[in-house]
Amino acid sequence: GESVGLHLPTLSVQEGDNSIINCAYSNSASDYFIWYKQESGKGPQFIIDIRSNMDKRQGQRVTVLLNKTVKHLSLQIAATQPGDSAVYFCAENILSGTYKYIFGTGTRLKVLA
Amino acid sequence: EAGVAQSPRYKIIEKRQSVAFWCNPISGHATLYWYQQILGQGPKLLIQFQNNGVVDDSQLPKDRFSAERLKGVDSTLKIQPAKLEDSAVYLCASSLVGELFFGSGTQLSVL
Repeated sequence: GESVGLHLPTLSVQEGDNSIINCAYSNSASDYFIWYKQESGKGPQFIIDIRSNMDKRQGQRVTVLLNKTVKHLSLQIAATQPGDSAVYFCAENILSGTYKYIFGTGTRLKVLA
Repeated sequence: EAGVAQSPRYKIIEKRQSVAFWCNPISGHATLYWYQQILGQGPKLLIQFQNNGVVDDSQLPKDRFSAERLKGVDSTLKIQPAKLEDSAVYLCASSLVGELFFGSGTQLSVL
């Protein structure tokens, strides 16, 4: 069935290094993608989004890349900080015009001091 | 701007009991979502409202789960009777267009 998946369940990164979190999606009709950050005991928090007519979008210390050819999404975090430690989810809007999202399993990012 | 409010924060019940969760979305947000998040998994959509009408409830176990959004604002999600596998965090989210804003969730433990 349709799904949004992540390649690595846990990613450990040294403080100050760059982090790359990957996500594969299977619905070629998906037109909008969001990355969320979830800290322990909290709801997911919006990080950055990208529409299917774009390949790249940059925010503050974060960049999202979209490769529609291989149905791949990535989140790059520059100069990773301890506060970046969390679980990261990609979400896929699978039905254009209605904002119906499905979420991947998530990747836990651990920042090592 | 106030965020999405949910209550209670935690709930512990025994199986076969009933439980209800409440959500107050961000003012003006027409779309409201209830998600179930089992430990170690991503959120799974249970039901989506547009104003007070249901847009999608295809993954809602309707034999035991029910939800309503009266007057297109607050919403309640009820489980009756609860099963052990219902132990999860129940997240409410709202949106105007695009981005979802989540509440902190209700952590349910069914014993």
